[in-house]
Amino acid sequence: AQSVSQHNHHVILSEAASLELGCNYSYGGTVNLFWYVQYPGQHLQLLLKYFSGDPLVKGIKGFEAEFIKSKFSFNLRKPSVQWSDTAEYFCAVRTSGTYKYIFGTGTRLKVLA
Amino acid sequence: IAGITQAPTSQILAAGRRMTLRCTQDMRHNAMYWYRQDLGLGLRLIHYSNTAGTTGKGEVPDGYSVSRANTDDFPLTLASAVPSQTSVYFCASRADGNNSPLHFGNGTRLTVT
Repeated sequence: AQSVSQHNHHVILSEAASLELGCNYSYGGTVNLFWYVQYPGQHLQLLLKYFSGDPLVKGIKGFEAEFIKSKFSFNLRKPSVQWSDTAEYFCAVRTSGTYKYIFGTGTRLKVLA
Repeated sequence: IAGITQAPTSQILAAGRRMTLRCTQDMRHNAMYWYRQDLGLGLRLIHYSNTAGTTGKGEVPDGYSVSRANTDDFPLTLASAVPSQTSVYFCASRADGNNSPLHFGNGTRLTVT
């Protein structure tokens, strides 16, 4: 069965620090990849998505992610985090031709002002 | 404003009682989903529906049922609630097309005592 792994469960950073959150998936075929963010008390919102083409995708709020097919990875990055980035981040995968989205367990990011 | 409406926002329910969580979307999306979110486990798919009249089981369907009588509504029913069903439940939908991400409702926080 497909699975998504997010190895960092909790991350604490100071403002202006750089961020990289890991995401690995287990599926050898064509995939669609997503990062969602959930701010405290809110629902999930789409940060960015990858379907095809340039493996480096840019999303909202200065986030970007790189799809590395050989490593089955889709890591999320931001050069300089802000206090307002404090949230939980979820990686998700949809295998091509299916309706199911599989989510990772999430990474809680706390940014210290 | 187009989107997904979930009701109730929160509910405390005695074990053994029946409960229906409501989900309505006005975006005319064919695909709809129910997820539960639990600390440390991320989002897990309960049931999904590709289009009105069809439903499918996700990762954790036991104890839950769904129906999809029309495009807009996708209610989730707990026939006889148990404490392990204490969770936050999110309804989501997706437009047709391979490039479409999930859109989420604001969630229902359910506590089964």
